[in-house]
Formats: sequence, C-alpha cells, structure tokens
Amino acid sequence: EAQVTQNPRYLITVTGKKLTVTCSQNMNHEYMSWYRQDPGLGLRQIYYSMNVEVTDKGDVPEGYKVSRKEKRNFPLILESPSPNQTSLYFCASSLSLAGALGGHEQFFGPGTRLTVL
Amino acid sequence: AQKITQTQPGMFVQEKEAVTLDCTYDTSDPSYGLFWYKQPSSGEMIFLIYQGSYDQQNATEGRYSLNFQKARKSANLVISASQLGDSAMYFCAIPPSNTGKLIFGQGTTLQVKP
Repeated sequence: EAQVTQNPRYLITVTGKKLTVTCSQNMNHEYMSWYRQDPGLGLRQIYYSMNVEVTDKGDVPEGYKVSRKEKRNFPLILESPSPNQTSLYFCASSLSLAGALGGHEQFFGPGTRLTVL
Repeated sequence: AQKITQTQPGMFVQEKEAVTLDCTYDTSDPSYGLFWYKQPSSGEMIFLIYQGSYDQQNATEGRYSLNFQKARKSANLVISASQLGDSAMYFCAIPPSNTGKLIFGQGTTLQVKP
C-alpha cells in the first residue's frame, strides 16, 4: 500500500530534550516536506527536500533541522524543543513539484501530535 | 506572495443537501493549481480535488466539484448530497510555482446535521 508513515504518532516531552520524528514514504517520491498545523493558521511548511541531500527552508524553519540521506526517509529533528513547538506535525511527499501542469497531489502522513512541557 | 483565504470558520449543512465552501486566492503565477484537502477528526489529510488554472472545465470527483472563477480568483468546493461522514475540516491550498510547497488557508469546519 502506498503510504507515508510517521513515528511517533504522539509525543509528550520536556523543554530542551532533543527529539526526532521519523518520516518514510514507499512511493519513490522525490519531493518531501514537513508542515506544522496550529489552530487558526492552517498548515505551514517547515522544511522541504527536492531530492537526496537537497533540503531547503520553508516558512517556519526556526528551531528545526532535517536531513535527506535516503530518498524514502526525511526525519525532522528538534535539537532543543520549546513549548511554542507544541503542534501537530505532518510529513508529506509528492511525485514532483506540485504545480498547475502536473497537479500532483501531496500525500500526507497520519500526523504527529507533539506536546512540549 | 501567494495567499489563500477561507472566510468561513464553520458551516452547518443538513444531510443530503449541497454545501459550498469558499476559497479565494491571490497569486502572481501565470499558471497555477488549486487543491482541496479534507481533515476528519482523526487528523489525517485527505486529498479531494485539484483544479489547474488552464483547465477548461471545472473539476469534479464524485460528489465533489470545484466552482472555479478565475477572474474573481475563487475556487469554491461544492459537496453535493452531504453525508454525515463529510463532517470535517476542509482546506484549500495553492502551490507557488517551483517551490514544491502548498500554501494553505485557515480551513473551514463543516458539520453535517442528520
């Protein structure tokens, strides 16, 4: 089954304790992305990757790191989490850059609900 | 910069009736696309429908259709024959060209009444 998986699904942690949220896709997609969802703000992109070893900042990258060593995996790293990073996080992948001609949808993972105390 | 506006924070509709969820956008890209996603209470994001700016006809997918009015920069989602399972949050999104990301609106919560 074609899917994007994320782990963990739920995480409660304390300020300053490094954590990693894993993301993996089995569709051989080149493009992967991380979003965070906060009430009233919709989803905002944190980081994205167009291919292996190619990553770039999205709209809200502060406090986050990513890596893309393999095509299928795109982990999100919080080196020193803070309470304002409490949010619902989504990993997404797509076949190509989402655009008018391609119309390639982004496939989303199930989400990771993170609480930082 | 691209922007998406969904002005209806919450909507109610009676089961089996049709409902329109509003979405207006702002973009400087000469060609672009618009996506609608559904997010049920379980949290996952489900792709519903896509419209390209140069598509001649409004997109339809089952009970979902897009009322795309390019001159007014609106791409409203129409759900026909609402079902209880349609109760969810709905997001409109636009991808700035060659960025790979989606710019999302704030979302509209739809509740279907039996």
